[in-house]
Amino acid sequence: KNQVEQSPQSLIILEGKNCTLQCNYTVSPFSNLRWYKQDTGRGPVSLTIMTFSENTKSNGRYTATLDADTKQSSLHITASQLSDSASYICVVSDRGSTLGRLYFGRGTQLTVWP
Amino acid sequence: EADIYQTPRYLVIGTGKKITLECSQTMGHDKMYWYQQDPGMELHLIHYSYGVNSTEKGDLSSESTVSRIRTEHFPLTLESARPSHTSQYLCASSDGPREKLFFGSGTQLSVL
Repeated sequence: KNQVEQSPQSLIILEGKNCTLQCNYTVSPFSNLRWYKQDTGRGPVSLTIMTFSENTKSNGRYTATLDADTKQSSLHITASQLSDSASYICVVSDRGSTLGRLYFGRGTQLTVWP
Repeated sequence: EADIYQTPRYLVIGTGKKITLECSQTMGHDKMYWYQQDPGMELHLIHYSYGVNSTEKGDLSSESTVSRIRTEHFPLTLESARPSHTSQYLCASSDGPREKLFFGSGTQLSVL
């Protein structure tokens, strides 16, 4: 069964600290992996998209890694800011159909305290 | 910045009412989607469209219907709302099925 599991479910850190969020998936055949940031009461916003051949991709203070062999990805946030408080969602796309079906994780709820 | 808009942002209605959630995008995307999201849970695809006059049901069984008469417009209709329809509804669009999704801000629906 194709699944996307994220950990931890929630995380609290102090402003200025770094953190790493995890995503494990069983989706096959794999097409790409995406990280989205969702502020409370808003729609998700894309942070990164990585294909099979990409190991690392950065977007400002956000760095995503992908290990397609172990089917694991991480999102590292450097020097956290209060505005980083949000839910971070891992999404995996398959290539087994023309739809490119998306499998969503439940997200990690990050809270940054001053 | 995504150019995809949803209205209303919040809606509280009584059981049995007919409602339409609006979604419009100005990016010229052919692909549009409706997702349902409950707190702490993953997004579930309820409808999608690959272009004008094309609509398909998604993974999650839904009593809603959609239409795609114009490229930029993808409204979702509930003929008779029930408390079980209480949820957040997110509209999205993309250039293609494997391209980045752009989401609207969502409609939070509460059915009493």
